[in-house]
Parts: sequence; structure tokens; C-alpha cells
Amino acid sequence: GESVGLHLPTLSVQEGDNSIINCAYSNSASDYFIWYKQESGKGPQFIIDIRSNMDKRQGQRVTVLLNKTVKHLSLQIAATQPGDSAVYFCASKDAGNNRKLIWGLGTSLAVNP
Amino acid sequence: DVKVTQSSRYLVKRTGEKVFLECVQDMDHENMFWYRQDPGLGLRLIYFSYDVKMKEKGDIPEGYSVSREKKERFSLILESASTNQTSMYLCASIGGYGGYTFGSGTRLTVV
Repeated sequence: GESVGLHLPTLSVQEGDNSIINCAYSNSASDYFIWYKQESGKGPQFIIDIRSNMDKRQGQRVTVLLNKTVKHLSLQIAATQPGDSAVYFCASKDAGNNRKLIWGLGTSLAVNP
Repeated sequence: DVKVTQSSRYLVKRTGEKVFLECVQDMDHENMFWYRQDPGLGLRLIYFSYDVKMKEKGDIPEGYSVSREKKERFSLILESASTNQTSMYLCASIGGYGGYTFGSGTRLTVV
């Protein structure tokens, strides 16, 4: 079946550095991808999304890159701050049922002061 | 902003009890979802609904049922709670193409 996976379960960065969180997906028919941030004790919160007709999309301090050739997705956070400490999930639309998302397991980002 | 509200943040129930988890969204979204989240297992879809009185099983529906009598409300029911249903339960909604909006979650402990 389809899967979405993250390369690293944990990532530790220094405050002010840039963070890169990677994700791979299995279904080349997936056409929509989303990154979520989940802080402790809260539900996941939408960060940024990208459609498969794009390679890059930028938000405020975040950039998502999509490489369809190798089925890889990354989230870049510029000038990482302590408030960025959270678990980050990538998800893709289920190509068989576009109401559903296929989720990765999450990367826990720790920001060191 | 879309708001998804889950009625309880924390619940403690006894084995065998019937448990109701309530979720309400305020943006007229058609699609609503119930997930459970466990360490190391990520988010797993229990049930979803794409319209009033419509429901579809997700990946782990066993031991659960759902009810959607009104568009804004989606209820998750544990018919007979068991200890392996201790988990964080997350409700989400989506109105079209785009990301889900999640509630804050209900942490359920079954003793």
C-alpha cells in the first residue's frame, strides 16, 4: 500500500540555525502534500502545503521542496527558534481516496538555546 | 479561522463502559475524521464522514463506531471500552481541497 515516511525520528538544532526535515512517499500518483506541526498537548497544525505541479513553495520562515523524481519532500525552517520545537508530520493525499491523508510517523525537532 | 472543538481534553473510563467522544466544527465542512495517535505509530484513521449520515471505515475501525446526525458534529463511540483503546483521539475536518483542521485532542485512559 501507499506509505509516507520520514528519514529521521529526531532532529536537534541550535537556535538560529536552519532546520531541514525530510520525508519520502511511495505513490507517484500523489498530487498534494502537507506539513503539520504538533506541539506538546495540542492537535497537529497546518504549516504549508504543495501540489505536485510545483517544486517549491515558501511561507513565513518555512519552505517546502518537492522532488517528484525521487519522491522526496522536505521542510526547511529558517532561523529556527525555540517555539519551533515540536513534532513535524508530512502527509500526502491518498491517490485512491482524496478525502484521506497518508501520514508519516513524525520527526521530533528539538531547538537548543 | 476554522475551529474544531473536542468536548473533553482528558477522560478516564472503566473497561466495558460505553464512551462517547464529541467533535464540533464551525465552518460547514463536509468531511470530518477521527484519528487515534499513539507513540511510534503516528496518526491512524479510525472513521471518516463526508456527509450527514454517511461514514466510511478507516484503517482501524474495530471496536469503534461513529455518528453524524448533523453536519457540524461527528461523534466517536467506543461500544465497550478496553485498555488497548487508551490513546489520544484527534478529530479533524476539511471543506474542499486543502489541509485538515484538527481539534486539540482527547486523551482517553481506560482502566
